Amino acid sequence: QITLKESGPTLVKPTQTLTLTCTFSGFSLSNGGVGVGWIRQPPGKALEWLALIFWNDDKRYSPSLKSRLTITKDTSKNQVVLTMTNMDPVDTATYYCAHRFDYDYYFDQWGQGTLVTVSS
Amino acid sequence: QSALTQPASVSGSPGQSIAISCTGTSSDVGAYNYVSWYQQHPGKAPKVMIYDVSNRPSGVSNRFSGSKSGNTASLTISGLQAEDEADYYCCSYRGSSTLAVFGGGTKLTVL
Repeated sequence: QITLKESGPTLVKPTQTLTLTCTFSGFSLSNGGVGVGWIRQPPGKALEWLALIFWNDDKRYSPSLKSRLTITKDTSKNQVVLTMTNMDPVDTATYYCAHRFDYDYYFDQWGQGTLVTVSS
Repeated sequence: QSALTQPASVSGSPGQSIAISCTGTSSDVGAYNYVSWYQQHPGKAPKVMIYDVSNRPSGVSNRFSGSKSGNTASLTISGLQAEDEADYYCCSYRGSSTLAVFGGGTKLTVL
């Protein structure tokens, strides 16, 4: 059974860097064929894909946010970390991490999400 | 402004069928058979209902079906039930540099 859970600060100030951690179980990123992505959703708005890291450390980013994002993995801890620099109030959103197989093109399992508010 | 265009809302009565459209471009929906649909109830995480245009994951009701024509994909829900009331998002692959683009979401109301 695959599970994912996001963790991190609930409140960050403008210009600060956000660091979110996705802790997962039921699969390993040291094995071939899997990836973990991040998707966000501002309150009352649509989903937006942010980044994805594959088992082989291949990393992909949303072109519009690429300069602000870094995704890494720690296979020993079963964690994926997303950092986003220069946070702004428009970045207020629920941030989800999700699992996909590298040969698929959809996210089959999602975490519960974590709400991050950007405010001074 | 989302990459894919969906109607903001649709509604139907129990037992009826509804369809939600998702319009993209020849660079995403029209180029690949990698359209997926997600159901999201209030305060919950999205759940995949359809992948690769028309495939249902195990456990998803066969009342949900998907199709595509040109740059537009569609999700059809037949035999509407109260539990189907939720937001629905389409998603498409757009090439190796943009792995996923989402639609703006459609709120389904079961009357």
